[in-house]
Amino acid sequence: AQSVTQLDSQVPVFEEAPVELRCNYSSSVSVYLFWYVQYPNQGLQLLLKYLSGSTLVKGINGFEAEFNKSQTSFHLRKPSVHISDTAEYFCAVSGNTPLVFGKGTRLSVIA
Amino acid sequence: SQTIHQWPATLVQPVGSPLSLECTVEGTSNPNLYWYRQAAGRGLQLLFYSVGIGQISSEVPQNLSASRPQDRQFILSSKKLLLSDSGFYLCAWSATLQGTYEQYFGPGTRLTVT
Repeated sequence: AQSVTQLDSQVPVFEEAPVELRCNYSSSVSVYLFWYVQYPNQGLQLLLKYLSGSTLVKGINGFEAEFNKSQTSFHLRKPSVHISDTAEYFCAVSGNTPLVFGKGTRLSVIA
Repeated sequence: SQTIHQWPATLVQPVGSPLSLECTVEGTSNPNLYWYRQAAGRGLQLLFYSVGIGQISSEVPQNLSASRPQDRQFILSSKKLLLSDSGFYLCAWSATLQGTYEQYFGPGTRLTVT
């Protein structure tokens, strides 16, 4: 079985500052990893995914994530955030089960 | 391209009343379908998933049920709502049940039980 831990429930950051949202996973099989974003009162939208190959994955809206097998992590980063990045971010893992989601991290960008 | 619809967008229902939420997918065949509930501060809870017509798997025992009468239609129901059923309900689809394919989400239904 797989599990996901998002280490921060809330992350406040000033506009144009860098941000990292942390995600750790647990699995006994090979995994596929995903980051989703949810804006208020909307469904989830895929930001990026890691399936295989290069451990640095680039997604939409300037986000990227790095898969680290030894640390079982898949942290999400953006070098300079905008007010419009204010949202909830979910990390998810899939292996031999349907997607398992973390509890989410609320990113608040402060002007 | 594929699209996923949910309705209604918002719903206010009294305790003890029935519930029916509908989800339909366009542009794909034989999708895997999912119902999630999102309560405030509690992340996403998988309620049901379906790999085909009439095939429903329940992840959490509760007073909700799901049905899949057609290939691209997924319905979430309750005979008697509880206050604890309030939340944001999301439907999703994927090409496979596990592995490399991501899930695509609908816009959600905000349910308030009063």
